[in-house]
Amino acid sequence: DAGVIQSPRHEVTEMGQEVTLRCKPISGHNSLFWYRQTMMRGLELLIYFNNNVPIDDSGMPEDRFSAKMPNASFSTLKIQPSEPRDSAVYFCASSLENEQFFGPGTRLTVL
Amino acid sequence: AQSVTQLGSHVSVSEGALVLLRCNYSSSVPPYLFWYVQYPNQGLQLLLKYTSAATLVKGINGFEAEFKKSETSFHLTKPSAHMSDAAEYFCAVSGGSQGNLIFGKGTKLSVKP
Repeated sequence: DAGVIQSPRHEVTEMGQEVTLRCKPISGHNSLFWYRQTMMRGLELLIYFNNNVPIDDSGMPEDRFSAKMPNASFSTLKIQPSEPRDSAVYFCASSLENEQFFGPGTRLTVL
Repeated sequence: AQSVTQLGSHVSVSEGALVLLRCNYSSSVPPYLFWYVQYPNQGLQLLLKYTSAATLVKGINGFEAEFKKSETSFHLTKPSAHMSDAAEYFCAVSGGSQGNLIFGKGTKLSVKP
């Protein structure tokens, strides 16, 4: 298995632009998680899905952030409009039971 | 509610010395407990997990952790540190539903030659 796949690996954009991060979970996993990691705040859970349904989005910082999971093999995290304080590494993880498997992350820089 | 406390945001040891990273948890149900490691510029990888079987759990790279219910602890140890162990380590407890995990704030391990 290829593991959790995230794209792009690096994204540099200007303030105000729309950013879309993509994630392909491990086949057969039924839960998917989006995290953000920064030096200041550490690892934060943004949202998670179970069987493609959002279960808890209380970690989504603002309405500028949205996430979708249209099917079991694909999820997106969108930021519109982006701001410099959104600069971080965004991780996607998937799980079948309790163990989560993390992707390599997307490093986002908003100028 | 579940929570995790990792004591010490930074730990420094000499190569060959004992590694001890502390983790205490709070859980209203029998917990599943995890240690993850994050090397620079990489995602988190599972080191080991406790799922209510043996209380002493062995993981990859010579690490192990002992579940102590009376102390609500799940400390991570390694007898002899290697330079390659330098990384950030996260303790996590199951959140009770659908695979959600509650992570600690992480402990950055430095290994001195």
